[in-house]
Amino acid sequence: EAGVTQSPTHLIKTRGQQATLRCSPISGHTSVYWYQQALGLGLQFLLWYDEGEERNRGNFPPRFSGRQFPNYSSELNVNALELEDSALYLCASSSSDRVFNQPQHFGDGTRLSIL
Amino acid sequence: AQSVTQLDSHVSVSEGTPVLLRCNYSSSYSPSLFWYVQHPNKGLQLLLKYTSAATLVKGINGFEAEFKKSETSFHLTKPSAHMSDAAEYFCVVSVPSYNNNDMRFGAGTRLTVKP
Repeated sequence: EAGVTQSPTHLIKTRGQQATLRCSPISGHTSVYWYQQALGLGLQFLLWYDEGEERNRGNFPPRFSGRQFPNYSSELNVNALELEDSALYLCASSSSDRVFNQPQHFGDGTRLSIL
Repeated sequence: AQSVTQLDSHVSVSEGTPVLLRCNYSSSYSPSLFWYVQHPNKGLQLLLKYTSAATLVKGINGFEAEFKKSETSFHLTKPSAHMSDAAEYFCVVSVPSYNNNDMRFGAGTRLTVKP
């Protein structure tokens, strides 16, 4: 079974540019989650998509947005990039069963560096 | 609301000695609990999960954890550390909610294994 895949592996941008990160969930999973892991700040929840809808978002400004496609893949868009956006962005997916004990399965992340 | 506290930010052990990574949780409901491991520049890998079945949970790579409700703890142990165990470990709590992504991550414990 293929795991969660993310692309690109690394992304280098400059301040003010826009970045697009992509995620393909495990086959059969309809929920996709995005996290930011900045140095020293742990995992910060960004967004949750399920069945094509945004279900919840963390405490991030509106320039962080995304969408989920009919095939359940997802992309995260970050506009007007700032230096502090430099981080590892992790995508996770979980089963469509709406039970709280379903674990999330993570991809290897996209390393976003802002120059 | 639920929360999780990892009591040590850094643990150092010698190869072949036992590992103990401590996690306390707070929850108004019966929680599900997870341990994840993250190797450098990789995503999080699920080690084990507790979902109200047996209180002693066995995971991958020889790790296990014991759910102790009276102590609100879910400590991770391994009898004998290997060099390959050096990584960051995250304890996660999840409780029933409308937003079934309501998983709270601990700040992480960095495990160093000395030869």
